[in-house]
Amino acid sequence: AQTVTQSQPEMSVQEAETVTLSCTYDTSESDYYLFWYKQPPSRQMILVIRQEAYKQQNATENRFSVNFQKAAKSFSLKISDSQLGDAAMYFCAYRPTGANFGNEKLTFGTGTRLTIIP
Amino acid sequence: GAVVSQHPSWVICKSGTSVKIECRSLDFQATTMFWYRQFPKQSLMLMATSNEGSKATYEQGVEKDKFLINHASLTLSTLTVTSAHPEDSSFYICSAKRQGANQPQHFGDGTRLSIL
Repeated sequence: AQTVTQSQPEMSVQEAETVTLSCTYDTSESDYYLFWYKQPPSRQMILVIRQEAYKQQNATENRFSVNFQKAAKSFSLKISDSQLGDAAMYFCAYRPTGANFGNEKLTFGTGTRLTIIP
Repeated sequence: GAVVSQHPSWVICKSGTSVKIECRSLDFQATTMFWYRQFPKQSLMLMATSNEGSKATYEQGVEKDKFLINHASLTLSTLTVTSAHPEDSSFYICSAKRQGANQPQHFGDGTRLSIL
């Protein structure tokens, strides 16, 4: 079974600084998707960034980028120029590829609460 | 866009009653919908996955007779918590996706269920 581990329950960063959130996962699959979701106090899950395992290039979305280390099964999220609106719970998630019905499940980590210090 | 609406956002009811939560995809056809449960300060735990027109597939440990899921159309799935008890109090979140292995899940705003 796949597992996703986030070892940092809480992190804080000064506004405008950079912060990195850690995520490791365990799988026997060679191809899969990895995601970072943000859950602000409003509780809606918002997709921040997605990485496909077969792609060596790290995904980037504006101030958000990932460091994907496939061999180490590590998928960290870097937030540059942190803003107050970035404060939220951040969840790392894994999903296998393939069109099989059972392959659409997302497995989430336990989350990291990010606080932005003004 | 891909908007998913969940209703109600918050419900309080007495122990023993049944509660229905709706999940709607407003601007796309959702061939697959997912129902999650989230306890305070914890992660999302998948309860069940449903394809339109088919019976839901429940995760291990989730009582299918307790949590009834109906996915009768491409835009609507419902979760009914039957004979709810205080231990069923939680935050329930649905997500929906279009057909296709590469399609992402889009999440609703969640429903806070409180059973007195």
